[in-house]
Amino acid sequence: EPEVTQTPSHQVTQMGQEVILRCVPISNHLYFYWYRQILGQKVEFLVSFYNNEISEKSEIFDDQFSVERPDGSNFTLKIRSTKLEDSAMYFCASSALAGPSYEQYFGPGTRLTVT
Amino acid sequence: KQEVTQIPAALSVPEGENLVLNCSFTDSAIYNLQWFRQDPGKGLTSLLLIQSSQREQTSGRLNASLDKSSGRSTLYIAASQPGDSATYLCAVINDYKLSFGAGTTVTVRA
Repeated sequence: EPEVTQTPSHQVTQMGQEVILRCVPISNHLYFYWYRQILGQKVEFLVSFYNNEISEKSEIFDDQFSVERPDGSNFTLKIRSTKLEDSAMYFCASSALAGPSYEQYFGPGTRLTVT
Repeated sequence: KQEVTQIPAALSVPEGENLVLNCSFTDSAIYNLQWFRQDPGKGLTSLLLIQSSQREQTSGRLNASLDKSSGRSTLYIAASQPGDSATYLCAVINDYKLSFGAGTTVTVRA
């Protein structure tokens, strides 16, 4: 069964460093998303991406964050200068067609630890 | 802003008992509602998706209902097993993004 994959599974970085989290969505999916979950808190929406541009972003997704689909298979989240409060589990998701009615499939997550 | 609430926060039942998990949301203008399972430190596994036009969706021992007008959904798990122990998350979609509840952590005792 097709699945969303994410690398790395765990990333440790120092405050102020740049990190790139990588995702490979399901191959025929068109909508891509990033969510995060700070330990003990709700899963929060960060950004949605369609047709090579951001379709919606939350207030969390400030200028420190960016997303990119550098090729036909990868979808990345970059944090330019990490802060302690960026420590969280980051989930990538994708959905099949261009519309909100379609089920989102999540990857296993990348645990980001900022020290 | 959409607010999603799940009650109870935690539930412990003996094996074989039926589980009832509740979810409520404040903005009824949703496209659909998804129930997820999350094991400790792991990702999110989609269990069921209910379109806004549907009232119910079933998969095996799982049944989810949706009352959009009252802003409520219920997930029923029949004949619970220890392997059902996990956190169950409810999420609604507005404007292309999912808004999640905090989850109900279920423990099924053997």
